[in-house]
Amino acid sequence: QQQVKQSPQSLIVQKGGIPIINCAYENTAFDYFPWYQQFPGKGPALLIAIRPDVSEKKEGRFTISFNKSAKQFSLHIMDSQPGDSATYFCAASSGGYQKVTFGTGTKLQVIP
Amino acid sequence: GAVVSQHPSWVICKSGTSVKIECRSLDFQATTMFWYRQFPKQSLMLMATSNEGSKATYEQGVEKDKFLINHASLTLSTLTVTSAHPEDSSFYICSARRGNEQYFGPGTRLTVT
Repeated sequence: QQQVKQSPQSLIVQKGGIPIINCAYENTAFDYFPWYQQFPGKGPALLIAIRPDVSEKKEGRFTISFNKSAKQFSLHIMDSQPGDSATYFCAASSGGYQKVTFGTGTKLQVIP
Repeated sequence: GAVVSQHPSWVICKSGTSVKIECRSLDFQATTMFWYRQFPKQSLMLMATSNEGSKATYEQGVEKDKFLINHASLTLSTLTVTSAHPEDSSFYICSARRGNEQYFGPGTRLTVT
């Protein structure tokens, strides 16, 4: 299975809140899990990525939690700001980072 | 670093005509580039993998004679939509691989009338 399931489809939080986006995969061959941020009318931008040999990675206000046994990973955005309002995609790839399989996306809105 | 550009950013064409979209890696060489299609409020769907100096690899269901891909140099890949129809209207996004990362272009909005 090449699917990457992502939830929720949309999310509204207040400024300062911690939105959490969850993803699950089935293909155990996946060995690289990036997250992308996309603003309307723009291409996706790499936000943060993790490999399955670690359970957590933090970069600035963005944290990925990874549960290899459950085949799940999630993105946490600390102290969210209105400028974080965008669509977020989780993704997965294998075999030397060739094809990337994207999740279905989560539209995040951070209200002031 | 790792900037990918696309040209044009948007294009309107008449049904039956062909449209070429360029994808360039501006500050690095990319032996592999990817072409995606994205419908409104949907995820990115991989169309094909473009390898410099060889034929592109198309995903299942993508018509290779309709979506022509040419990766003639280490910094340029082109996607030509031939005999475009209104159902080809979409947001086309390319990406270029550098090491273990994939960097995306800003996208091209194609509208076929």
